[in-house]
Amino acid sequence: EAQVTQNPRYLITVTGKKLTVTCSQNMNHEYMSWYRQDPGLGLRQIYYSMNVEVTDKGDVPEGYKVSRKEKRNFPLILESPSPNQTSLYFCASSPADFSYEQYFGPGTRLTVT
Amino acid sequence: AQTVTQSQPEMSVQEAETVTLSCTYDTSESNYYLFWYKQPPSRQMILVIRQEAYKQQNATENRFSVNFQKAAKSFSLKISDSQLGDTAMYFCAFIPNQISNFGNEKLTFGTGTRLTIIP
Repeated sequence: EAQVTQNPRYLITVTGKKLTVTCSQNMNHEYMSWYRQDPGLGLRQIYYSMNVEVTDKGDVPEGYKVSRKEKRNFPLILESPSPNQTSLYFCASSPADFSYEQYFGPGTRLTVT
Repeated sequence: AQTVTQSQPEMSVQEAETVTLSCTYDTSESNYYLFWYKQPPSRQMILVIRQEAYKQQNATENRFSVNFQKAAKSFSLKISDSQLGDTAMYFCAFIPNQISNFGNEKLTFGTGTRLTIIP
């Protein structure tokens, strides 16, 4: 089944404790992206990647890192999480074929205390 | 920069009725794509319908249709014969033509409309 998976689905952590949210897609998509969703703000792009080793900032990159060492994986790293990073996070992928159809993961609910 | 505005934070409608969700956007691009996404309580983002700006014909998908007014920069979603399973948050989203966006397929989302279908 074609899908985007994220782990963990739920995470409660404390300020300053490094964490990684994994994202993996099995559709051989070139393009991958991370969004965060906050009430009243919709979804906002954090980082994106157009291919292996090609990443760039989105609209709200502060406090986040990403890497794209393999085509299928695009982990989101929070080196020193803070309470303002409490949010719902989505990974998305696309074949980058001008169809603009993006496939979203199931979301990761992160709480930083 | 593009912006997407959804002015109805919440709506409710009786089952089997028709409901229209509004969306306006602002852009200087001439070629772009518009989407409606549904987010049910499971939180999964589900693509409902897509409209290409250069197509004058309004997109339809079963009970879902759009009213795309390019000059007015308006993109409303009509749900006919609403069902309990339509209860969800609905997001309007915009993406400009990729060439002008340097390959970043960033979706610009509105703030969402929470739709409740009443039995």
